Amino acid sequence: NAGVTQTPKFQVLKTGQSMTLQCAQDMNHNSMYWYRQDPGMGLRLIYYSASEGTTDKGEVPNGYNVSRLNKREFSLRLESAAPSQTSVYFCASSEMGGDGYTFGSGTRLTVV
Amino acid sequence: GIQVEQSPPDLILQEGANSTLRCNFSDSVNNLQWFHQNPWGQLINLFYIPSGTKQNGRLSATTVATERYSLLYISSSQTTDSGVYFCAVERNSGTYKYIFGTGTRLKVLA
Repeated sequence: NAGVTQTPKFQVLKTGQSMTLQCAQDMNHNSMYWYRQDPGMGLRLIYYSASEGTTDKGEVPNGYNVSRLNKREFSLRLESAAPSQTSVYFCASSEMGGDGYTFGSGTRLTVV
Repeated sequence: GIQVEQSPPDLILQEGANSTLRCNFSDSVNNLQWFHQNPWGQLINLFYIPSGTKQNGRLSATTVATERYSLLYISSSQTTDSGVYFCAVERNSGTYKYIFGTGTRLKVLA
């Protein structure tokens, strides 16, 4: 099925551990995004990639890095996880400008 | 930065009722979208509506960019409409930095 696929769906990390969240889309979209959602809040943009080969910071980039591996894939890396990074992470993709915005099903990350 | 405020924060309806959700934003925007997050956490794009009016079945949306607000109308609500409705705005065209409001939590009772 067409859409945005995120892996893993759930993850528990210890403080200081590292991990990479994977995201892939098969809609031939140019733009991809990583958001986090904390309880009772809207989504906050971490990083985005307007097109293949480019990445830029969003509202809350500290503690994260990203890689736009190719047009389909956009990964998010936590180098040294902290409890404040406990959240639900969503990947999304869209046409340039935001039309056709499609979200993945999310990754629930807990840092203990 | 731009502020996005949604009202009401919570809404409870009987099945079949109509409702209007509002999104106010503090500065001019180039793009605006409405999303629905169902009770299982899945986010679905409802409307891409920087200006004007669009309709999709029982849902419609209107954005008046000059007055800095957007409205989402839900008619003949169903229990499957329950969840959280978010609006998101893009301040400058081409930045792709969508700022989300804190949402309106809707519960539709059978």
